[in-house]
Amino acid sequence: DTAVSQTPKYLVTQMGNDKSIKCEQNLGHDTMYWYKQDSKKFLKIMFSYNNKELIINETVPNRFSPKSPDKAHLNLHINSLELGDSAVYFCASSQDISVNQPQHFGDGTRLSIL
Amino acid sequence: KQEVTQIPAALSVPEGENLVLNCSFTDSAIYNLQWFRQDPGKGLTSLLLIQSSQREQTSGRLNASLDKSSGRSTLYIAASQPGDSATYLCAVGNFNKFYFGSGTKLNVKP
Repeated sequence: DTAVSQTPKYLVTQMGNDKSIKCEQNLGHDTMYWYKQDSKKFLKIMFSYNNKELIINETVPNRFSPKSPDKAHLNLHINSLELGDSAVYFCASSQDISVNQPQHFGDGTRLSIL
Repeated sequence: KQEVTQIPAALSVPEGENLVLNCSFTDSAIYNLQWFRQDPGKGLTSLLLIQSSQREQTSGRLNASLDKSSGRSTLYIAASQPGDSATYLCAVGNFNKFYFGSGTKLNVKP
């Protein structure tokens, strides 16, 4: 059973379009995250949610809007896609918001903007 | 702001060799440090987590050390195998988020 699953795995789209990435975890965790990994492989936190409540919003453009309908799901909607949005986006979850809890990652969504 | 650096960016070794990966960070006020493995097209898998009060953690052929005062951590891999080929990332935990390095890409040649 996949612990943290993201869809789609690949997303190729035109500049200016709106797209969504979905994430689900079946670990019973309270906290979920979105990370962005750029071409230089740096992984940076974008958002974290704890029990559907936004905890971290790391100065991400307003075009990015996370939504957590329940604590097992955290989706990411991106409006007006730009070339600089091309990256791999990872979803992760942990038992709670403490960094002492290990984070479990999905396999990533590779977003390419044409 | 915390900055995490990993050197070298890439490393190629013959099978069986012992090796050390390095991680340095600028702010020593950390909660913990974690080492991850990333395989191509996959997410991150946690290998070892060292609390700020600890000096090292071991799991099988892996040993991670932490020197908080000097802002350094090392990941030691003993008797490397081709299956160890992957990118290894370190992440420093501050309160409720991790700061990641850009990783060391390891290739173990048969």
